[in-house]
Amino acid sequence: KQEVTQIPAALSVPEGENLVLNCSFTDSAIYNLQWFRQDPGKGLTSLLLIQSSQREQTSGRLNASLDKSSGRSTLYIAASQPGDSATYLCAVRPDAGGTSYGKLTFGQGTILTVHP
Amino acid sequence: NAGVMQNPRHLVRRRGQEARLRCSPMKGHSHVYWYRQLPEEGLKFMVYLQKENIIDESGMPKERFSAEFPKEGPSILRIQQVVRGDSAAYFCASSPRGGANYGYTFGSGTRLTVV
Repeated sequence: KQEVTQIPAALSVPEGENLVLNCSFTDSAIYNLQWFRQDPGKGLTSLLLIQSSQREQTSGRLNASLDKSSGRSTLYIAASQPGDSATYLCAVRPDAGGTSYGKLTFGQGTILTVHP
Repeated sequence: NAGVMQNPRHLVRRRGQEARLRCSPMKGHSHVYWYRQLPEEGLKFMVYLQKENIIDESGMPKERFSAEFPKEGPSILRIQQVVRGDSAAYFCASSPRGGANYGYTFGSGTRLTVV
């Protein structure tokens, strides 16, 4: 059974810092990994999608890396801003036949607070 | 280009009533997924549907919960005889196709409160 763990559970940093959020998964048979952002009381916004054959993806100040064999992904946020404050979730999709590819397994999330 | 639309945003039901949650996928998306986020817990997969078909319902509770995605109209998640433990945020996501290399687009969720 796939398990996804995110460390740290919460992080508070001053504005301008570069930071790293970690995600690990127990079953390396994944098809892709997706990072999401969730604001309080809101839905999920997709940030980056990394296919299992890729090592990293970048979007603006965000960079996500994937080491499938070791079961790890990191989300790097450069020059953090107060508007980055949110919960960040990683989710993996199984590399399995049949219909199970429809099922994402989520981590518990990292609650990020960036203070001015 | 509207995203994934869920309604209602908030729903209050008394114990024993029925709750019906609706999800309209993004235009051009024919695959819908429902997830539940219980208080202090992560998002858990419930069911994966294609038009008129349930593809994977391995995350659905065995009783009281059902889902459909008819040929016309939104996907519906139905909870009969709600109990306090059903209080949660229910999220719907859609993708243009099945297949694992498509990312999801999520809706804003329906927050169900059972009183």
